[in-house]
Amino acid sequence: DTGVSQDPRHKITKRGQNVTFRCDPISEHNRLYWYRQTLGQGPEFLTYFQNEAQLEKSRLLSDRFSAERPKGSFSTLEIQRTEQGDSAMYLCASSLALTAYEQYFGPGTRLTVT
Amino acid sequence: ELKVEQNPLFLSMQEGKNYTIYCNYSTTSDRLYWYRQDPGKSLESLFVLLSNGAVKQEGRLMASLDTKARLSTLHITAAVHDLSATYFCAVEPHQGGSEKLVFGKGTKLTVNP
Repeated sequence: DTGVSQDPRHKITKRGQNVTFRCDPISEHNRLYWYRQTLGQGPEFLTYFQNEAQLEKSRLLSDRFSAERPKGSFSTLEIQRTEQGDSAMYLCASSLALTAYEQYFGPGTRLTVT
Repeated sequence: ELKVEQNPLFLSMQEGKNYTIYCNYSTTSDRLYWYRQDPGKSLESLFVLLSNGAVKQEGRLMASLDTKARLSTLHITAAVHDLSATYFCAVEPHQGGSEKLVFGKGTKLTVNP
């Protein structure tokens, strides 16, 4: 399978714990995006990378959230001191900048904070 | 700040009928995307519309873009049950290259036999 992959697919954690999600983009794609989707809503942009550089962060991304893409390949999204309001589906997407426009989405990680 | 509005948010229709979903956006953009999402699943790309007047068709779905009116439509012809899903439009707020997408709230389509 050469699509975008995410791990884990589901995560249940207790409030106050830290969690980390991983995204592996399509291999030749240099842009990687994180979105968050809550029930009944469209995805909301969190941040994106071009190669290893983080180019934009949403105001939704509080200080408890951090994302990295250290070698320009896979990315991690960490949430520290989770809150119940963090419960959502976290979606990763990738694209090939400047030569194509389409963002391809992974299966998502569903986070439940109890 | 770019806002994207879809209507209707919920649509229940009978098999064989036609209907149109509308997507309005608030600032200039030349790129609009339609995605499909099945319950509990991720987003599947349906159409990429890159210029004013663009029209694309795949099976029973046809999408169009009017950048002057800041409006895109997704037309469903002779609906079948398999089209039941949530449909999102998404707009890029900037020119040049792939950047963040701003999504509408989605239209949940239910096609009844």
